Amino acid sequence: ETGVTQTPRHLVMGMTNKKSLKCEQHLGHNAMYWYKQSAKKPLELMFVYSLEERVENNSVPSRFSPECPNSSHLFLHLHTLQPEDSALYLCASSPSTSGRADEQFFGPGTRLTVL
Amino acid sequence: GNSVTQMEGPVTLSEEAFLTINCTYTATGYPSLFWYVQYPGEGLQLLLKATKADDKGSNKGFEATYRKETTSFHLEKGSVQVSDSAVYFCALSDIVTGANNLFFGTGTRLTVIP
Repeated sequence: ETGVTQTPRHLVMGMTNKKSLKCEQHLGHNAMYWYKQSAKKPLELMFVYSLEERVENNSVPSRFSPECPNSSHLFLHLHTLQPEDSALYLCASSPSTSGRADEQFFGPGTRLTVL
Repeated sequence: GNSVTQMEGPVTLSEEAFLTINCTYTATGYPSLFWYVQYPGEGLQLLLKATKADDKGSNKGFEATYRKETTSFHLEKGSVQVSDSAVYFCALSDIVTGANNLFFGTGTRLTVIP
């Protein structure tokens, strides 16, 4: 595997379910990110991790819970979601969080549908 | 604060037509500017970037110039191909916020027809 991978690619869940999204980067980067992509809205940054430590949380509801066990893996745990949480969830990584010109490398995303 | 405004799509062009997608920004510091592209079923990938005023980023025939006086970073290509059909995102990165945060526009969907 190369680059940034995400599983599952598609997920359908009910409002009472608990599920997790997984992201893995094979680039040796130190920073990882979760974004939410909804139709006709800018990408929304949800969480930023640097060396497994959360450095930013943009007022995301507590029904989204991130976990970064090491610099290569990032999870997003989901519980009691709402239909408006349906979106494409993108994971990204970059060499660090301090490089203003650093490119972020994105995974293909998980298409989440909440019924 | 930081924000990016890009022209709304969708944009439909014939092959070999000239492309311009407008992007303007507001930033509190000295941002880097990016264009990302998202092909169907894929994540975003960097198309080009510019890190300071008057820099020109270029890749795959696409160009954009960092214009500080007009706070713009318009994307251009002289002759588009069907394979350029995708969604294009303008973004800025500002280290003043304490981390390498990217602020994205809403995206512009381009469809190129043969």
